Amino acid sequence: IAGITQAPTSQILAAGRRMTLRCTQDMRHNAMYWYRQDLGLGLRLIHYSNTAGTTGKGEVPDGYSVSRANTDDFPLTLASAVPSQTSVYFCASSERPRAPYEQYFGPGTRLTVT
Amino acid sequence: DQQVKQNSPSLSVQEGRISILNCDYTNSMFDYFLWYKKYPAEGPTFLISISSIKDKNEDGRFTVFLNKSAKHLSLHIVPSQPGDSAVYFCAASDSTSGTYKYIFGTGTRLKVLA
Repeated sequence: IAGITQAPTSQILAAGRRMTLRCTQDMRHNAMYWYRQDLGLGLRLIHYSNTAGTTGKGEVPDGYSVSRANTDDFPLTLASAVPSQTSVYFCASSERPRAPYEQYFGPGTRLTVT
Repeated sequence: DQQVKQNSPSLSVQEGRISILNCDYTNSMFDYFLWYKKYPAEGPTFLISISSIKDKNEDGRFTVFLNKSAKHLSLHIVPSQPGDSAVYFCAASDSTSGTYKYIFGTGTRLKVLA
């Protein structure tokens, strides 16, 4: 079934540890995105990639890094996790990085940093 | 500063009646808007969109209205069904900015009562 997969589904992580959230899409979409969802704050863009080999910063990029080595994968890395990074993380993709192409979202990763 | 605002965190509506979800934005350069629906433990799914060249777009029971002068859009669901109970996010994009990013609102939780 075509779509976006994210791993892990959930994770409890000690502060200071490094963590990579995985995201893979099989729709051959050019653009990919990482969002975090927090209560009362909605979905906020962390990083994005308009095409393989390029990345850009979103609204809340601090403490996160991404890479886009190929079309399908867009991992998000927390180099040294802090409790404020406790959130639900969603990966998304779109055929083109512009309107009218809507974004398709993965099921999310629930991360708790203790 | 929140550029896209959904001022009603929650809304309850009787089954069969109309649900109206509102969204306001501050950036006059936004020219493409989307609505997403999100069930618990799932990623958001695209619902309906509208370009700034239109003031209305319909898709079955869902209609989005855009009032550019008021910087306001609304999603109408008629008739509302219990399966519509979810969190609804509006999102906006400035297609001329070159950054191709969507800014999401904080969401409105709709509960349709049977």
